[in-house]
Amino acid sequence: NAGVTQTPKFRVLKTGQSMTLLCAQDMNHEYMYWYRQDPGMGLRLIHYSVGEGTTAKGEVPDGYNVSRLKKQNFLLGLESAAPSQTSVYFCASSYSRGGRTGELFFGEGSRLTVL
Amino acid sequence: DAKTTQPPSMDCAEGRAANLPCNHSTISGNEYVYWYRQIHSQGPQYIIHGLKNNETNEMASLIITEDRKSSTLILPHATLRDTAVYYCIVRDPLNTGTASKLTFGTGTRLQVTL
Repeated sequence: NAGVTQTPKFRVLKTGQSMTLLCAQDMNHEYMYWYRQDPGMGLRLIHYSVGEGTTAKGEVPDGYNVSRLKKQNFLLGLESAAPSQTSVYFCASSYSRGGRTGELFFGEGSRLTVL
Repeated sequence: DAKTTQPPSMDCAEGRAANLPCNHSTISGNEYVYWYRQIHSQGPQYIIHGLKNNETNEMASLIITEDRKSSTLILPHATLRDTAVYYCIVRDPLNTGTASKLTFGTGTRLQVTL
């Protein structure tokens, strides 16, 4: 019963490098989300998806791109990493229908440091 | 989604009830109240949600005022393991247009002490 799995869990990048964070869920959820959390702050929504092949911007989308080619996967890309993107990234997924609608299931987080 | 207001921090003695308030005065009729908590730097964990009736599960109770403008999460017998940041969120789960507003704010940091 894996739930939401994020890879990698830790990564150190140099400014200007690119990378992709992978989020995988095995609960057949329609909705998926990427958040970032900076020290002492709440979670801020970067991008989200309401279904396979669809993505939309959240509160802080600049500098990130996403793709949802398969229902179970949601990728977050940084094309040219900046120190301001040093953060902990959380992926989440949720149902869109049913008794547990709206409940988000979170991954354990990916800690990214950009030097 | 309606905005929520929570106190930044609270203390509670172990074994006592922890009552965490949340104001959501602009909540609309289709919006539910959700509570999550985040222990240390782990991913947030769902606790409970409700629309207008009080709810109870194995983790907590949720009391929603009759006008739905505020709610209280109750941990009946707090333990040290309940020390965490608690987030209150309101949203309409069936409205895809509001998904972009699903942000968590800074929540209430609950410290449970001996």
